[in-house]
Amino acid sequence: SQQGEEDPQALSIQEGENATMNCSYKTSINNLQWYRQNSGRGLVHLILIRSNEREKHSGRLRVTLDTSKKSSSLLITASRAADTASYFCATDALNVPNAGKSTFGDGTTLTVKP
Amino acid sequence: EPEVTQTPSHQVTQMGQEVILRCVPISNHLYFYWYRQILGQKVEFLVSFYNNEISEKSEIFDDQFSVERPDGSNFTLKIRSTKLEDSAMYFCASRRNYGYTFGSGTRLTVV
Repeated sequence: SQQGEEDPQALSIQEGENATMNCSYKTSINNLQWYRQNSGRGLVHLILIRSNEREKHSGRLRVTLDTSKKSSSLLITASRAADTASYFCATDALNVPNAGKSTFGDGTTLTVKP
Repeated sequence: EPEVTQTPSHQVTQMGQEVILRCVPISNHLYFYWYRQILGQKVEFLVSFYNNEISEKSEIFDDQFSVERPDGSNFTLKIRSTKLEDSAMYFCASRRNYGYTFGSGTRLTVV
């Protein structure tokens, strides 16, 4: 598997339900980021969690990070139709200079039905 | 909130032509990037730029590609002799510390 793999690839839920997406990675990281992309649009930064953090909240978003398992999850609570989008995780590898790249996963496509 | 601005939003070009994709990063950001996303595929790193030089580039970023920061505000990606497989969304991004701010992208269609 490649650095930054999300699962599931696609998730369809009803409005009001919670959506959980997972991301696994292979190398040690400085931080992990989650991004959202509406169809045909740019990427919007949602949240960043550092390697020494285990959980972070932002509004209806909750991100967890388990560095021992090299995995992260993104939970969207009380989903809305407007949350329909693709969600990507991206990792900054450890000991990479600040100008270094982030590695993106394949993304999870979330569909929230009204 | 500060934005990364990309122009044009959509570019159609003939195979073999040169294109220049333009970006205006956030003014106090230090690191600049180009990524691309072929339709339905993952976001791929092309190149990073810091202190007026390329700091890292991917295998994709071959001699066909070049980047420039010609003045204090613009950051450009030039693709020479475009090929059909260059058709993709090209995203510019900048950051100061951690977490990118992405532009809305330029959809490049090579015909």
